[in-house]
Amino acid sequence: QKEVEQNSGPLSVPEGAIASLNCTYSDRGSQSFFWYRQYSGKSPELIMSIYSNGDKEDGRFTAQLNKASQYVSLLIRDSQPSDSATYLCAVDSGSARQLTFGSGTQLTVLP
Amino acid sequence: ETGVTQSPTHLIKTRGQQVTLRCSSQSGHNTVSWYQQALGQGPQFIFQYYREEENGRGNFPPRFSGLQFPNYSSELNVNALELDDSALYLCASSLGTSGYSEQYFGPGTRLTVT
Repeated sequence: QKEVEQNSGPLSVPEGAIASLNCTYSDRGSQSFFWYRQYSGKSPELIMSIYSNGDKEDGRFTAQLNKASQYVSLLIRDSQPSDSATYLCAVDSGSARQLTFGSGTQLTVLP
Repeated sequence: ETGVTQSPTHLIKTRGQQVTLRCSSQSGHNTVSWYQQALGQGPQFIFQYYREEENGRGNFPPRFSGLQFPNYSSELNVNALELDDSALYLCASSLGTSGYSEQYFGPGTRLTVT
């Protein structure tokens, strides 16, 4: 059973702080890693993709990948109340390159 | 907005009935994947369609079936509905089936089975 594990939270940070979201995965053959943001009652929205070891930055978001440790993380700098959502880690696996999702981490940014 | 559309938005069905959900992929995308998301959980992969053929399937019974049409739109059919089928059904479109293909989700169909 290929698994993706996330801290379920909830995680609360004050406005302007750095939010750190973590994810581990079991399938060493996975090539691609994605972070989705899901607001309550909405569908997941792709915010970051990462394929190589190291850091990838996009605005206030930084994704970090360590394939040796089977670990991927998302940092949100200068967190805003509008960042309050559930963040889903997704890992590609299987012949159809299906995405396996974690159960999500609920983030609340306090004004 | 991703350009992926789904219909209907909400649906209420009775146990034992059949349902068809529809998805139109983003312009230029030729692959559609379907996911089921139960409350408080991450989406679970149902199956993927590429070039009108099923290209992979998750751990779902045969009463979950699908189609893809020449314009890349897709349908998810569920027969003999069970109470546990109540969930948000999401379709995601992508270009190709590579592991590097980013998948973009539609707004989802909320199915309630009573």
